[in-house]
Amino acid sequence: QKEVEQNSGPLSVPEGAIASLNCTYSDRVSQSFFWYRQYSGKSPELIMSIYSNGDKEDGRFTAQLNKASQYVSLLIRDSQPSDSATYLCAVIPTGFQKLVFGTGTRLLVSP
Amino acid sequence: DGGITQSPKYLFRKEGQNVTLSCEQNLNHDAMYWYRQDPGQGLRLIYYSQIVNDFQKGDIAEGYSVSREKKESFPLTVTSAQKNPTAFYLCASSARDGTRGEQYFGPGTRLTVT
Repeated sequence: QKEVEQNSGPLSVPEGAIASLNCTYSDRVSQSFFWYRQYSGKSPELIMSIYSNGDKEDGRFTAQLNKASQYVSLLIRDSQPSDSATYLCAVIPTGFQKLVFGTGTRLLVSP
Repeated sequence: DGGITQSPKYLFRKEGQNVTLSCEQNLNHDAMYWYRQDPGQGLRLIYYSQIVNDFQKGDIAEGYSVSREKKESFPLTVTSAQKNPTAFYLCASSARDGTRGEQYFGPGTRLTVT
């Protein structure tokens, strides 16, 4: 079982819709969770971090964490074509100082 | 402006040559990392360093070497022993204290070996 799993997509949504990106992880006691956005040919950019159960909102982005079910999600409200990118989920397993990345979900937002 | 710089952006080498990729940060971060990304794949950790003069192997260290003589700098050498060196190489850094591990990435170096 992979440590961090994401559906590779592409996830296609129309402009203005809500995009929902999901990620599951295997280490039950992981404490730190991150979402990165990566445009084609560019480096990853940190867009959200979440550490406790529940929701965390930042502008159009909401990260949701459910430790009991071992999943973390990212909601993008009012999706824009400029949101089209690959979204990487990353987790720090307990006792480690390094991030473990999923392979990413490609999001396509059509005008 | 604080940030992470990587140079060069594109690098071309002949097979059998060693090549060194530069990574510099002025964020005063203690920890630095090197990742490799292949087309359609996730990031794989090559080496990381949490403090000057100390570094650890990541998941795919074979064929690579690093040094950490200064807090600001963490160069990566891709040696001729690396069997498939063509990839996108990403450097990242993070603070050790006061945060919970957020890593910030440089712009990357795209290496092509022929």
